[in-house]
Amino acid sequence: NAGVTQTPKFQVLKTGQSMTLQCAQDMNHEYMSWYRQDPGMGLRLIHYSVGAGITDQGEVPNGYNVSRSTTEDFPLRLLSAAPSQTSVYFCASSYSSVSSYEQYFGPGTRLTVT
Amino acid sequence: GENVEQHPSTLSVQEGDSAVIKCTYSDSASNYFPWYKQELGKRPQLIIDIRSNVGEKKDQRIAVTLNKTAKHFSLHITETQPEDSAVYFCASFDSGTYKYIFGTGTRLKVLA
Repeated sequence: NAGVTQTPKFQVLKTGQSMTLQCAQDMNHEYMSWYRQDPGMGLRLIHYSVGAGITDQGEVPNGYNVSRSTTEDFPLRLLSAAPSQTSVYFCASSYSSVSSYEQYFGPGTRLTVT
Repeated sequence: GENVEQHPSTLSVQEGDSAVIKCTYSDSASNYFPWYKQELGKRPQLIIDIRSNVGEKKDQRIAVTLNKTAKHFSLHITETQPEDSAVYFCASFDSGTYKYIFGTGTRLKVLA
C-alpha cells in the first residue's frame, strides 16, 4: 500500500492564482481531512469528509474548496491564492468506525504564495 | 470555538530523564485523544492514543493519562533518548462531529 500520497511536494504561486492540491489514499478509509501547519500554531483543520459525496468545514475553511467524488481522492482547491495561505498542507485519512480513529498523514505540500 | 491548549511549547531534558507534556481540551464530547510525533521535515505519526473510557495507557517508554473530569490529558516519556527529540502534538476528537482539534505542539529536545 502507498498509504496517503500528496502532490505536488512544493509549489510557488503568485497572489490571485488558483491551484489544486491532490490527495489520494489506498486504504479504503472513509474519513479524509486537510490541515494547514504554520509555525507555533499546530495543525488546523481546513475541511474534512466522512465519505464520498460528503464534505464539511473545519476550523479555517475560508479560501479553500473541497470535493469528494470517490473514496480514494480528496483534492483541495485554492480559489485565489493569498500570501496568508503560505503554509505546509497535510492530508490525512482514517477509518470512521469506532474500531479505529487513527489518522494517517500524507508527506505534505509546502506552498509559498508571493 | 473549541480548542486544545498544550504546554509547554518547548522542553529540554537530559538523556535518561522523563518528559511530561500536558494538554487541556474544551469540547466535553471529545472521546478520543491521540498523540503525534513529528520529526523535522516529516509528517506527523501517531505514537499513542487513548479513548475516553480509559484512564491510562502504556506502550514501553510512553504513557498517556486522561482526566475526563478536568479535561486534561498528558504524555509521559520515560528514559528519554536523543531520538525522542521532535515536536509532539496532542489532539482531541469528537466522533459525533468527526472534528479533530490539535494542540499547538511541544518541541522536545533530549540533550546527550
